[in-house]
Amino acid sequence: DQQVKQNSPSLSVQEGRISILNCDYTNSMFDYFLWYKKYPAEGPTFLISISSIKDKNEDGRFTVFLNKSAKHLSLHIVPSQPGDSAVYFCAARNAGNMLTFGGGTRLMVKP
Amino acid sequence: EAQVTQNPRYLITVTGKKLTVTCSQNMNHEYMSWYRQDPGLGLRQIYYSMNVEVTDKGDVPEGYKVSRKEKRNFPLILESPSPNQTSLYFCASSLWRTGNLYNEQFFGPGTRLTVL
Repeated sequence: DQQVKQNSPSLSVQEGRISILNCDYTNSMFDYFLWYKKYPAEGPTFLISISSIKDKNEDGRFTVFLNKSAKHLSLHIVPSQPGDSAVYFCAARNAGNMLTFGGGTRLMVKP
Repeated sequence: EAQVTQNPRYLITVTGKKLTVTCSQNMNHEYMSWYRQDPGLGLRQIYYSMNVEVTDKGDVPEGYKVSRKEKRNFPLILESPSPNQTSLYFCASSLWRTGNLYNEQFFGPGTRLTVL
């Protein structure tokens, strides 16, 4: 049973608009949540994180929101750019530095 | 340049022929890990290592072995590969947990393995 789920396998957005990627989790022991970005033929790269004791973290165009009661987090990208087109993985940390990943969402930003 | 390297990047092999995928990092990280990526399943952890000579199973360890004889290297060994091990494999490394901070995991470029 997947503890971290991304229910949208793909998302298409117009350049300049907001992209919202969603993630749900089941394990209340996760203490950190992350977003990783992956381009074809490359390894995932870290994008942004949020501690379970916070509800929002912002870094430039990227903002992650955490709703602990709903066990839901989201990544907002504003404004979206064509270079943001990639696969985005949500992940959660439990014991030590071990990560559990969601299935990924492919974001396509159209010019 | 700080990086995680994997070799080979692409490999096609046949069932039962032992193979090793190497992983090396130059950041003096204690923690190293192997993942496999499959469509719709994201990245699933195979094995991880918290330091030299310390390894443990992840979520999908069956059919794999690892070793950590040196801090910088963490090879993944498939003693008798089978077609269900056809996948995209990633090695990652990070500092071990320091307090409540998140220590970013750095990923290698991936190894695409096909087992016929």
